[in-house]
Amino acid sequence: AQTVTQSQPEMSVQEAETVTLSCTYDTSENNYYLFWYKQPPSRQMILVIRQEAYKQQNATENRFSVNFQKAAKSFSLKISDSQLGDTAMYFCAFMKINYQLIWGAGTKLIIKP
Amino acid sequence: EPEVTQTPSHQVTQMGQEVILRCVPISNHLYFYWYRQILGQKVEFLVSFYNNEISEKSEIFDDQFSVERPDGSNFTLKIRSTKLEDSAMYFCASSEVLGQPQHFGDGTRLSIL
Repeated sequence: AQTVTQSQPEMSVQEAETVTLSCTYDTSENNYYLFWYKQPPSRQMILVIRQEAYKQQNATENRFSVNFQKAAKSFSLKISDSQLGDTAMYFCAFMKINYQLIWGAGTKLIIKP
Repeated sequence: EPEVTQTPSHQVTQMGQEVILRCVPISNHLYFYWYRQILGQKVEFLVSFYNNEISEKSEIFDDQFSVERPDGSNFTLKIRSTKLEDSAMYFCASSEVLGQPQHFGDGTRLSIL
């Protein structure tokens, strides 16, 4: 069965610093998708970034980028120039072949002023 | 930008009562999902829905749960006889096609007393 592991329950950094959130997953599938979602205190679930497993190039969205290591089954999220509004729970998610999302436990990220 | 909308934002119900959670997916999306997040726990998949029928459901989605698309816009989750352990945040999501990111609503916080 597929699993997603986020080993950092909580992290905090100063505003403007760079932070990397780790995620590893386990699957026997070759084609799949990986996502990072953000859940601020308001409890919405907001898509941050998406990576297709067949693409070697790491996805980037403005200040957010991923380091996708397929062989190592690792999918970390880097946030550059962190802002106060980045404070949230961050969830790594794996999309199974039947297209349901399997979620990690989340990392609570606190950006300090 | 189009959004998934969920109502109500918070529902308080007595144990044993029926509850209906409502969702309006993004209008051109064809695939619909329900997830739940018990406080402090991982997000869990409940059910996916396409072409007016359930595509996939998890072990959690037992006989007390049902989903319906009663008209062209709404997508509902019904819990027939609520239990205390049904207390959770329920998220509706939709996607345009399979493999595309799922866009989430703000969630309905369900509290069973």
